[in-house]
Amino acid sequence: AQSVTQLDSQVPVFEEAPVELRCNYSSSVSVYLFWYVQYPNQGLQLLLKYLSGSTLVKGINGFEAEFNKSQTSFHLRKPSVHISDTAEYFCAVSDFGTASKLTFGTGTRLQVTL
Amino acid sequence: DAGVTQSPTHLIKTRGQHVTLRCSPISGHKSVSWYQQVLGQGPQFIFQYYEKEERGRGNFPDRFSARQFPNYSSELNVNALLLGDSALYLCASSLVGEAREQFFGPGTRLTVL
Repeated sequence: AQSVTQLDSQVPVFEEAPVELRCNYSSSVSVYLFWYVQYPNQGLQLLLKYLSGSTLVKGINGFEAEFNKSQTSFHLRKPSVHISDTAEYFCAVSDFGTASKLTFGTGTRLQVTL
Repeated sequence: DAGVTQSPTHLIKTRGQHVTLRCSPISGHKSVSWYQQVLGQGPQFIFQYYEKEERGRGNFPDRFSARQFPNYSSELNVNALLLGDSALYLCASSLVGEAREQFFGPGTRLTVL
């Protein structure tokens, strides 16, 4: 069975500051890893994904994440946040070839203020 | 191109009633998955259908059922509604059966009174 732990439920940050949202996963097999963003009253939008290859993954809106197999982590980073980045961020994992089942973490609320 | 669409947007039901939620995938996508997102939590996988066959089922009671039609649209049915079924129900579609690229709809907000 897989599980995802998002270590911070809320992350407050000032605009133009850097941010890191932490994600650790547990799985007995190889996995795909994802970060999704959810704005209020909306569905989920894919930010980035790790399938294979380079462990540094770049996504939309200036976000990037690094896959660390030894630490089973997939932390999300952005060097300079904007007010519009305020949203809920979800880390998710899927086994290779296991249908489309995504296992999500509980989410991290990123609150960007001036 | 239209994204994943879901209907209705909002729904209010009372305990014991039945509800049907609908999802239309992106054109050309053959896989549809359903997720339940309770307030303050991450989405939980309910079902996946690929080429009209059930390919995966999450840890949900038999009150939850789904099906996929020949045009790849899908319905999620929930019988004997409980207060705890109140949630945002998300539909996601993808080209193939794996999770490498899933696109989510805006969801249906179900409130059970």
